[in-house]
Amino acid sequence: KAGVTQTPRYLIKTRGQQVTLSCSPISGHRSVSWYQQTPGQGLQFLFEYFSETQRNKGNFPGRFSGRQFSNSRSEMNVSTLELGDSALYLCASRRLAQPTDTQYFGPGTRLTVL
Amino acid sequence: QKEVEQNSGPLSVPEGAIASLNCTYSDRGSQSFFWYRQYSGKSPELIMSIYSNGDKEDGRFTAQLNKASQYVSLLIRDSQPSDSATYLCASDDFGNEKLTFGTGTRLTIIP
Repeated sequence: KAGVTQTPRYLIKTRGQQVTLSCSPISGHRSVSWYQQTPGQGLQFLFEYFSETQRNKGNFPGRFSGRQFSNSRSEMNVSTLELGDSALYLCASRRLAQPTDTQYFGPGTRLTVL
Repeated sequence: QKEVEQNSGPLSVPEGAIASLNCTYSDRGSQSFFWYRQYSGKSPELIMSIYSNGDKEDGRFTAQLNKASQYVSLLIRDSQPSDSATYLCASDDFGNEKLTFGTGTRLTIIP
């Protein structure tokens, strides 16, 4: 079974631009979560989608948004990029949005904002 | 603000010894706990999950949960150089399904 895939793997943008990241979950998984990982803050939860609905949202500004499609694929968008948005963005999928479900992470998208 | 705390390390352990990683969590409502391993430049991979008080063993790994003390630990027996990584502890709160991660403990196994 194929794992979680994320595209692109690397991105370089400049301040003020916007970016869209894509995540394809494991086949059959309906829940997709997004995380931001930085050396200083560790793994920070952005949001989780289940059946095209946002179920949870972390403490990030409105510049960070996401959506999920009917095939469970998800995208996240960051508008008006800031230098501090440079990070590894990780997507994780699980079969259902239940506490005991294992989350499987994708390889991540490394975003650099100049 | 629900928190998961870990000693950031680095923790250095001789090859063949037992590595002990610790984690505390603030929310008494937490029901599920996970240990992820993350190699440098890679994404986290799940190595253990635990939901009930006590010990859970899987090969060289043992997870321990003490809900009264709000404490989770991971023991790695017969440590190998390939165990050198950052270990992330996470809790998933029942009814609020998102995972909260600790900042990770960097473990180095010394040959």
